[in-house]
Amino acid sequence: EPEVTQTPSHQVTQMGQEVILRCVPISNHLYFYWYRQILGQKVEFLVSFYNNEISEKSEIFDDQFSVERPDGSNFTLKIRSTKLEDSAMYFCASSSSVFRTGSGYEQYFGPGTRLTVT
Amino acid sequence: GQQVMQIPQYQHVQEGEDFTTYCNSSTTLSNIQWYKQRPGGHPVFLIQLVKSGEVKKQKRLTFQFGEAKKNSSLHITATQTTDVGTYFCAGRNSGGSNYKLTFGKGTLLTVNP
Repeated sequence: EPEVTQTPSHQVTQMGQEVILRCVPISNHLYFYWYRQILGQKVEFLVSFYNNEISEKSEIFDDQFSVERPDGSNFTLKIRSTKLEDSAMYFCASSSSVFRTGSGYEQYFGPGTRLTVT
Repeated sequence: GQQVMQIPQYQHVQEGEDFTTYCNSSTTLSNIQWYKQRPGGHPVFLIQLVKSGEVKKQKRLTFQFGEAKKNSSLHITATQTTDVGTYFCAGRNSGGSNYKLTFGKGTLLTVNP
């Protein structure tokens, strides 16, 4: 069964450093997302991406964050200057649709990248 | 902004007992999805509800969407140890974006064998 993959599984970085989290969505999906989950807390929406542009972003997704689809398969999340509070699990997800009915609206999540900022 | 609340935060049951988690939104939802996250795992899609008053069943799991489309519930009959995990509801705002899913805080279910 197709799955979303993410690398690395764990990233440790120092405060102020830039990190790039990588994701390979399911190949025929068109909609891509990043979420984060601080340990033991809820999953929080960061950004959605469709047709090579951001379709929506949350208040968490400030100027320190950016997303890119550099080629036909990868989808990346960059944090320019990491802060301690960026420590969390970051999940990438993809779906083939966003519409209320029909099929393909379910989001498939990757295994996540645990980011630790020291 | 939209808030999605879930109760209870934790639920511990004996195997064979039933379990229910409730989800309430501060705004009317266009649809609601349910996800399960095993300990150390990632969210896995369970179901989507769209229609007012809709009820869907998956084996021992029953999902309901309220008439006003502001609340939902997940009921598990006769829990098994494989049901352990955190159950999240996630909603899309009616009239809002198609893209943003707002997750509840989840209910962590533990099952004593």
